[in-house]
Amino acid sequence: KAGVTQTPRYLIKTRGQQVTLSCSPISGHRSVSWYQQTPGQGLQFLFEYFSETQRNKGNFPGRFSGRQFSNSRSEMNVSTLELGDSALYLCASKPGLAGAHYEQYFGPGTRLTVT
Amino acid sequence: DAKTTQPTSMDCAEGRAANLPCNHSTISGNEYVYWYRQIHSQGPQYIIHGLKNNETNEMASLIITEDRKSSTLILPHATLRDTAVYYCIATRSGNTPLVFGKGTRLSVIA
Repeated sequence: KAGVTQTPRYLIKTRGQQVTLSCSPISGHRSVSWYQQTPGQGLQFLFEYFSETQRNKGNFPGRFSGRQFSNSRSEMNVSTLELGDSALYLCASKPGLAGAHYEQYFGPGTRLTVT
Repeated sequence: DAKTTQPTSMDCAEGRAANLPCNHSTISGNEYVYWYRQIHSQGPQYIIHGLKNNETNEMASLIITEDRKSSTLILPHATLRDTAVYYCIATRSGNTPLVFGKGTRLSVIA
């Protein structure tokens, strides 16, 4: 079974631009979560989608948004990029929602550099 | 979710058991202890989880104290490929989001 895939793996953008990152979950997994990892703040939760609906949201500004498609693939978008948005963006998938034990399967991440 | 405390770093000789402690003194009755690890520049990888009984799988063993205030992850025969940051997380089963702390940086030395 293929793992979680993320595209692109590396990205360089300029301040003020916007960026879209893509995540394809493991086949059959319906929940997709996004995390940001920086050296200073560590791994922080951005949001979770299930059945095309945002179910949970972390403490990030509105510049960070996401969506999920009917095939469970997800995208996240960051608008008006700032230098501090430089990070490793990780996507994780699991079969369902809270209420049962599901380990999360993480993708390799997209490393975004904002210059 | 309960706060967890882990040592910042640990060393372990290759082939020896690596014992990684985690303190979660405020854990509630319905919170599980999960362990993930992150090898450099990769996504975190699930290792094991438990509620109150000791657990073992092909990767590791998890020992939880009777009062559930602390636990130990055991890698029975550490290899160089086990060098990673190990995260201990206390969370309700299946709950999202995972709240990652700083973790323990384990260095396995030849």
